[in-house]
Amino acid sequence: QSVLIQPPSASGTPGQRVTISCSGSSSNIGSNYVYWYQQLPGTAPKLLIYRDHQRPSGVPDRFSGSKSGTSASLAISGLRSEDEADYYCAAWDDSLSGHVVFGGGTKLTVL
Amino acid sequence: QVQLQESGPGLVKPSATLSLTCSVSGYSISSGYFWGWIRQPPGKGLEWIGNIYHSGNTYYNPSLKSRVTISVDTSKNQFSLNLSSVTAADTAVYYCAREEWSNLEYWGQGTLVTVSS
Repeated sequence: QSVLIQPPSASGTPGQRVTISCSGSSSNIGSNYVYWYQQLPGTAPKLLIYRDHQRPSGVPDRFSGSKSGTSASLAISGLRSEDEADYYCAAWDDSLSGHVVFGGGTKLTVL
Repeated sequence: QVQLQESGPGLVKPSATLSLTCSVSGYSISSGYFWGWIRQPPGKGLEWIGNIYHSGNTYYNPSLKSRVTISVDTSKNQFSLNLSSVTAADTAVYYCAREEWSNLEYWGQGTLVTVSS
């Protein structure tokens, strides 16, 4: 059981907007930044969103992040077939001397 | 361009110690940031193992802390992972990454380590 809770799957058709949630607690999301990672099949994860809602250079503005309290969300608008991937949220957790916690991952299927 | 490359045995026997090294190019470990290890069992999600600062300060996953040691060799611009008393549950793709408080900006390509006799 992951510390951060994500839905195991999500889906949408091309052009649609999809949202993936990430639920945590006061010791992680509630007090630290949230990061999102995209993992295409057979590849290493790639940083998608940093500090809750910032996009690294090269990440399309179709991807956006938000946070409220102890929950965060990743939204993908104008869904494209190449967005089919696994998405993970992550945050620093202040408990037990501090450590990184991940969500269990959400597999996004583009129908 | 920061690049990381994992190296080490692809097969480890049960109860032995898993040892991996991450070689960094394009950035000096001594210049800053934390340097971490993350693993992913086949078909499963990501699990953070721990990280180290160039000064040697470390943070570990509480669930693995008793078996993990991460060390750094700034002269070689490398850092290493030792995981003791491995079992089949430690079979995974192991990634190294440059990180800053869960901001894992640069990743290695990953290396599969199988625990089997």
